[in-house]
Amino acid sequence: DAKTTQPPSMDCAEGRAANLPCNHSTISGNEYVYWYRQIHSQGPQYIIHGLKNNETNEMASLIITEDRKSSTLILPHATLRDTAVYYCIVRVANGNQFYFGTGTSLTVIP
Amino acid sequence: NAGVMQNPRHLVRRRGQEARLRCSPMKGHSHVYWYRQLPEEGLKFMVYLQKENIIDESGMPKERFSAEFPKEGPSILRIQQVVRGDSAAYFCASSSRTGNTEAFFGQGTRLTVV
Repeated sequence: DAKTTQPPSMDCAEGRAANLPCNHSTISGNEYVYWYRQIHSQGPQYIIHGLKNNETNEMASLIITEDRKSSTLILPHATLRDTAVYYCIVRVANGNQFYFGTGTSLTVIP
Repeated sequence: NAGVMQNPRHLVRRRGQEARLRCSPMKGHSHVYWYRQLPEEGLKFMVYLQKENIIDESGMPKERFSAEFPKEGPSILRIQQVVRGDSAAYFCASSSRTGNTEAFFGQGTRLTVV
């Protein structure tokens, strides 16, 4: 089962930063945090992942707390096309399945 | 480098027929995952395969469902004797190796059982 907790929904104004939180208090030392999103009914899209250091790519930034019990995905300048369900996933140690929970439904408002 | 390709994108079957869903992983990827998404619900893991081997099928229904990933060719998810409850979107993902690496998803096959 999913080992993460996310708020069910969030709104963000277009052009502003969207900060999506995720709690993963039972994360193990060798488990990474992954973020995916699903726009409408398309296939999930990989965003970013990390272990303990903060990560940044062309899509987003991932901030992981020092104790690794929570993280935040940051979309620096949200656009209407960022409206989607965002999933925070902690991958099991043997690296098999990605367990998708219920995610956060982000709505970017004009 | 083409992404994960799934076909068909839409599939309509009558109750009792067989459904075959195909997934061609990204070039160089030897790990395939299948997920099912029922209407208005989240993604549920079904099966994880490497070339010619089923590694984890803990999410597969015990009957009528099977999956394979042969040495040559795409991965196939097969549903025998489909029922209306099988209507869903089926997504395939691939990765280059196990462990902590990202997986990339296809656009899915939407199965409708009439």
